[in-house]
Amino acid sequence: GQSLEQPSEVTAVEGAIVQINCTYQTSGFYGLSWYQQHDGGAPTFLSYNALDGLEETGRFSSFLSRSDSYGYLLLQELQMKDSASYFCAVRHPNSGGYQKVTFGTGTKLQVIP
Amino acid sequence: DGGITQSPKYLFRKEGQNVTLSCEQNLNHDAMYWYRQDPGQGLRLIYYSQIVNDFQKGDIAEGYSVSREKKESFPLTVTSAQKNPTAFYLCASSDGPNTGELFFGEGSRLTVL
Repeated sequence: GQSLEQPSEVTAVEGAIVQINCTYQTSGFYGLSWYQQHDGGAPTFLSYNALDGLEETGRFSSFLSRSDSYGYLLLQELQMKDSASYFCAVRHPNSGGYQKVTFGTGTKLQVIP
Repeated sequence: DGGITQSPKYLFRKEGQNVTLSCEQNLNHDAMYWYRQDPGQGLRLIYYSQIVNDFQKGDIAEGYSVSREKKESFPLTVTSAQKNPTAFYLCASSDGPNTGELFFGEGSRLTVL
């Protein structure tokens, strides 16, 4: 089977830095993605890591360690609008060789003044 | 503008009725996905398709059916066999197997009365 673990809730102060972790267990692995979802809205793509290391996109960075089956999303200079749910997602093969995308349970980030 | 269109946005259904949710994309993407999201939960994969006339069951396919007769269309039918169909349904597409980004529609919110 497959599973992705994330903390359920995180609270951080405006202007600070927050890290959201994701550990995964899948049969096979192609890459790890991160998505942001505001209440009532659709998820929007933030980043993708297929190789080990850090990817930076503006205030957001994402890290992957394939050997540890672990990744994280780093949000810097937090703004109130960053309050949302964040999901990690793994692209991996199914038993027939097709590619699936499995999502974690999500981390609800609350940014406080 | 390219994107994914889901309809209807809101749908009410009586118990025992089948309902079909529409998903159309003009991004020329090969892969399409259907996810279900319950309040405060992550996204669970219902069905996915990587090419026309082919689709795979996801993790919660029971009580659902799909078709992929055209590249741009991937409708989902919620049948009366689905025991708890009230949920937020999200359709997504991606541009081939080597990309980490899923593009999502705005979602369809189904309520069974």
